[in-house]
This record gives sequence, C-alpha cells and structure tokens, in this order.
Amino acid sequence: GIQVEQSPPDLILQEGANSTLRCNFSDSVNNLQWFHQNPWGQLINLFYIPSGTKQNGRLSATTVATERYSLLYISSSQTTDSGVYFCVGSSNTGKLIFGQGTTLQVKP
Amino acid sequence: DAEITQSPRHKITETGRQVTLACHQTWNHNNMFWYRQDLGHGLRLIHYSYGVQDTNKGEVSDGYSVSRSNTEDLPLTLESAASSQTSVYFCASTGHVAGELFFGEGSRLTVL
Repeated sequence: GIQVEQSPPDLILQEGANSTLRCNFSDSVNNLQWFHQNPWGQLINLFYIPSGTKQNGRLSATTVATERYSLLYISSSQTTDSGVYFCVGSSNTGKLIFGQGTTLQVKP
Repeated sequence: DAEITQSPRHKITETGRQVTLACHQTWNHNNMFWYRQDLGHGLRLIHYSYGVQDTNKGEVSDGYSVSRSNTEDLPLTLESAASSQTSVYFCASTGHVAGELFFGEGSRLTVL
C-alpha cells in the first residue's frame, strides 16, 4: 500500500521562528490535506490542497503532486501552534492514508 | 453551518458492557469513517461506510460494529467493551472519494 513519511517527527521552536514540515508519499494520492491536532485533541482542517499553493494567515501549504510531496510552512510561530500536524491523502480506491505526524512544540 | 458531531464526548464504562458512540453529520456526505487514536499508533481505521446500508471493516474492526440506516448517522457499537478499547474515537466524513475530510471532536472512552 501507499506509505506516507512525515518529517521531522518532532520539532521544537522558539516563538517567532519559521518552520517547514514535509509529507512524502510513496505513490500518487488523489488529494492531500493538512490537519492540526491541538493539545485538546481536536483535529482541525488546515488545508485541502491536492496541488498548488494555498495560504491562510501565517500558514501556507504547497503540494507538488507529480513529485508526491507536500510542504506546510509555519511563519512567526506562536505557542498556540503547538500540537501534532498530520498530512492525509487518499488512494485510487478511496483509502485514506495518514502520516504519523510531526509533533511541534513552540516555546515562549 | 454544516458540521459533524460526536456523542458522548467522554464516557467511562465497565468491561463487558455494550457501548454506542454516536456520529452525526449535516453535510449529506456519503462517506463516513470511524478511527481510534492511541499513543504510538496514530489514527487507525475501525469501520467505514460509503452510503446507506453500506458498511466495511477497517484494519482494527474486531469487537466493533456499525450500521448505516441513513446518510447522516454512523453509530459505532462496542458489543462487549474490553479494556483494550480504551481510546479516543474520531468520526470523519467526506462527500466523495477524493473530497475534503472533516473530523468530529472525538469521544474519549475509558473501559474499566
């Protein structure tokens, strides 16, 4: 089956720093999303981004579908950005494939 | 606004009891999913449904069942709860195979 690798697995930032999270797929996926799981456990949609680039405030994402990867950029990080970031894609059969997540801690 | 809601949000039960977790979405999505999330395992698929009367087993379906009698609801039943089923459960839905995925708020189940 399709494998997903997220990197880095863990990341510690000082407030105000920028970061880039990466998601690599072993095969083509039909869509790609980024989620943030906050410290309270809620899974929050960040981007639905099958291809191209999107921006929402301090966050932006780029998916290069032909090269099977996606990047999530966090600029001027804040303590509220802490949590786990997941990427999710779907196979041709509709199976959802989750990355194992990047755990981000932003220190004040 | 359309949404997906789970209930109860927290439940404590005893081993052997039947438990049902509710999931209700108002997007009219065909596809609904149940996942469990445990430390060290990420999100694992329990059951899923692509429409009314359709249900399918996921990778960790033993001890769980679902039914889909309408588009909006996919209740998850633990026939005889076990301590190994202590977990956080998430319901999710999409409108189509490649559609945007939405999660419920999660249900934390503790089996004593």
